[in-house]
Amino acid sequence: QKEVEQDPGPLSVPEGAIVSLNCTYSNSAFQYFMWYRQYSRKGPELLMYTYSSGNKEDGRFTAQVDKSSKYISLFIRDSQPSDSATYLCAMIPYGNNRLAFGKGNQVVVIP
Amino acid sequence: DTGVSQDPRHKITKRGQNVTFRCDPISEHNRLYWYRQTLGQGPEFLTYFQNEAQLEKSRLLSDRFSAERPKGSFSTLEIQRTEQGDSAMYLCASSLVSTYEQYFGPGTRLTVT
Repeated sequence: QKEVEQDPGPLSVPEGAIVSLNCTYSNSAFQYFMWYRQYSRKGPELLMYTYSSGNKEDGRFTAQVDKSSKYISLFIRDSQPSDSATYLCAMIPYGNNRLAFGKGNQVVVIP
Repeated sequence: DTGVSQDPRHKITKRGQNVTFRCDPISEHNRLYWYRQTLGQGPEFLTYFQNEAQLEKSRLLSDRFSAERPKGSFSTLEIQRTEQGDSAMYLCASSLVSTYEQYFGPGTRLTVT
């Protein structure tokens, strides 16, 4: 079992819909959680960073962490075609510095 | 702040050749990381530096791989005797010591033929 599970299945949504992405993890030492956006053939771009259970909002993006269930989510409201990309969850255990990534979710927003 | 830069962006090499990649981190960042990403997968950690000291290496980093960060500024990643399995995107990231947020460069795409 991988430390971080992210269902890589492509997700297609119409413009304006809410995109919902999630990851589960097995290592309870994970304390810091991030979401990255990666366009094709580019490096990952940091979108959201959080370290506590609960919600964190930044514009159209909301990151949610539930440490008791070892589950994190990213919601994108009012999705735009420019949101079409691969979204990667990543996390770091306490006292460490290596990011552990999920496989990524490819999202396509259809105009 | 010009972000993390990597050079070259693309490299095609023949099996058995040596290749070297360069990463320039964000100027005030004293931590620098190398990751490798293959198609359809998330990046996998290879190694990281704090200033010039290499503090951690993944078991993915075989003895054909070597990384340096002289003077704690830019870093190089060298792969000796390349194999087809080395074909991947090599990503560099940097961060401050005080945070866990890592910022990535555009990557170097390596193709071994």
